[in-house]
Amino acid sequence: DAGVTQSPTHLIKTRGQQVTLRCSPKSGHDTVSWYQQALGQGPQFIFQYYEEEERQRGNFPDRFSGHQFPNYSSELNVNALLLGDSALYLCASSLKGQGPYEQYFGPGTRLTVT
Amino acid sequence: RKEVEQDPGPFNVPEGATVAFNCTYSNSASQSFFWYRQDCRKEPKLLMSVYSSGNEDGRFTAQLNRASQYISLLIRDSKLSDSATYLCVVDNYGQNFVFGPGTRLSVLP
Repeated sequence: DAGVTQSPTHLIKTRGQQVTLRCSPKSGHDTVSWYQQALGQGPQFIFQYYEEEERQRGNFPDRFSGHQFPNYSSELNVNALLLGDSALYLCASSLKGQGPYEQYFGPGTRLTVT
Repeated sequence: RKEVEQDPGPFNVPEGATVAFNCTYSNSASQSFFWYRQDCRKEPKLLMSVYSSGNEDGRFTAQLNRASQYISLLIRDSKLSDSATYLCVVDNYGQNFVFGPGTRLSVLP
């Protein structure tokens, strides 16, 4: 049973550039959520995708956007990168309609902005 | 006030000790509750869901008090492998997870 996978594992970008991170959910899951985790802090919710639409969004600017594909995989795009965007980006998958909505996390993409 | 707060830690305990983590949440509409553990530079892993009646999984016991908006996690007979950061999570019908800042545990030989 394949778990959540993410790519790439590490990424180094320069301020002002754009980045795309990818996520494949756990087999059988249909919902993907993205989180940003800065060093020493708990993950912060960015947004959630279900049925190829953004369903919920956390307190993140429009520079953060996403997409979900028909096979449930998802992308996170960040434009105009800032130094403060350096963090671990985590993708989590779950199955909508099956409380208590346990989420399973991928290994994350560590983004460094210089 | 933060939506989810946890003991600041770190907790340093000897092997075999019992340790308790506390968590409070501010949104009374929260419906689901979880404890995750996160090892250094790794992803969070689900430790256990927390049910209203309380639940136990081996050495781990979770309690929920909705009236006080309080969640706890008790670890008995601590092992070296329990060393990690423990994250308290609340959720509203799968809309989004709100994580606490985490409490770091070090179990010492």
